Amino acid sequence: KAGVTQTPRYLIKTRGQQVTLSCSPISGHRSVSWYQQTPGQGLQFLFEYFSETQRNKGNFPGRFSGRQFSNSRSEMNVSTLELGDSALYLCASSRGQIGSNQPQHFGDGTRLSIL
Amino acid sequence: AQKITQTQPGMFVQEKEAVTLDCTYDTSDPSYGLFWYKQPSSGEMIFLIYQGSYDQQNATEGRYSLNFQKARKSANLVISASQLGDSAMYFCAMREASRDSGSARQLTFGSGTQLTVLP
Repeated sequence: KAGVTQTPRYLIKTRGQQVTLSCSPISGHRSVSWYQQTPGQGLQFLFEYFSETQRNKGNFPGRFSGRQFSNSRSEMNVSTLELGDSALYLCASSRGQIGSNQPQHFGDGTRLSIL
Repeated sequence: AQKITQTQPGMFVQEKEAVTLDCTYDTSDPSYGLFWYKQPSSGEMIFLIYQGSYDQQNATEGRYSLNFQKARKSANLVISASQLGDSAMYFCAMREASRDSGSARQLTFGSGTQLTVLP
């Protein structure tokens, strides 16, 4: 069974640009969550989607947005990139809505570097 | 206040020995789940073990077991017979399942413990 697939694995951008990251969940999983991981802040929740609807959002500025498609694949977009956006972005999927206690399974992440 | 606290930034253990990684949590919800994840240097987060707040028995998964002490609000991970491949960052996480928790339904992670297994 294929795991969570995130593309691309590595990305280098410059300040002011925008970026789109992609996540394909495990087959049958309908909930997708995004996290940002930095050495200073650790793992922080960005948002969660279930059935194409954003169900939960973390404390990030509006430059961070996302969406989920009917096949449960999700994209995350960051506009007007800042140096502080350099991080590992992790996507996680689970079978049910995130309110349940099913484990989330993570992808390998996209490492975004802002120059 | 920190919802998940991992007080050990780094731990060392001899190969084949057992090691306990500490995790304490803070919640007022009666229903919640506790998770442990392993993150090797390559970056992927690997799910290890889950404990529900209503589970009567401590969770076990192979060499991993969770020492769940509800009254103390602790959920320590025990790794038996450590292997060199166990060297990684370990994260404790919690999800509060109550619908009344508002935005608290996402996974909240601790700061992690870097485990190094010595040959």
